[in-house]
Amino acid sequence: GAVVSQHPSRVICKSGTSVKIECRSLDFQATTMFWYRQFPKKSLMLMATSNEGSKATYEQGVEKDKFLINHASLTLSTLTVTSAHPEDSSFYICSARTSGRRVYEQYFGPGTRLTVT
Amino acid sequence: GQSLEQPSEVTAVEGAIVQINCTYQTSGFYGLSWYQQHDGGAPTFLSYNALDGLEETGRFSSFLSRSDSYGYLLLQELQMKDSASYFCALLSGGSYIPTFGRGTSLIVHP
Repeated sequence: GAVVSQHPSRVICKSGTSVKIECRSLDFQATTMFWYRQFPKKSLMLMATSNEGSKATYEQGVEKDKFLINHASLTLSTLTVTSAHPEDSSFYICSARTSGRRVYEQYFGPGTRLTVT
Repeated sequence: GQSLEQPSEVTAVEGAIVQINCTYQTSGFYGLSWYQQHDGGAPTFLSYNALDGLEETGRFSSFLSRSDSYGYLLLQELQMKDSASYFCALLSGGSYIPTFGRGTSLIVHP
């Protein structure tokens, strides 16, 4: 149980275009989803926290107009990178968790490798 | 704010025991989690400590001392497949927002 999928796994796009990444919890309801960015050999940098039905909370330094997050249902959150530039190239990972006893446990998606040319 | 420190790299031989330390600074501490991530893969949850002491899960154990703001992950009977990055993650604040350490790369040699 507790499977999180991410789509696409890899995407290459041209500078100036937008890319949407989907994160789905397959067998549980995710009250909270997190979006991370990870550079090679580096830690997970939290970009934003989203709760179903409400606006995402962005971390300091993350442009909310550039990284649009929507958490429309208890099983789906999307991250849209708008007007992508080469510096946005990175590994983006989502995670999900439920409310309740194991609120400390996050279930991660497999990640999306974004390359902007 | 919150901050965590963990070694960048640890090496060990197969069958050995290795300890990965994590020190942290925070206000409003809730707990400390550990995650494993293989190259190119997603992090997977290993363990969580909210109270002082040792939590054992098979070959992996995690320890917490809240008074010392310190925890560690202990891996026993190391196997080659344990080569991965290990992250400690701090939970604090009213909504359990996680902060991850920089990760420790564990290299297991035959």
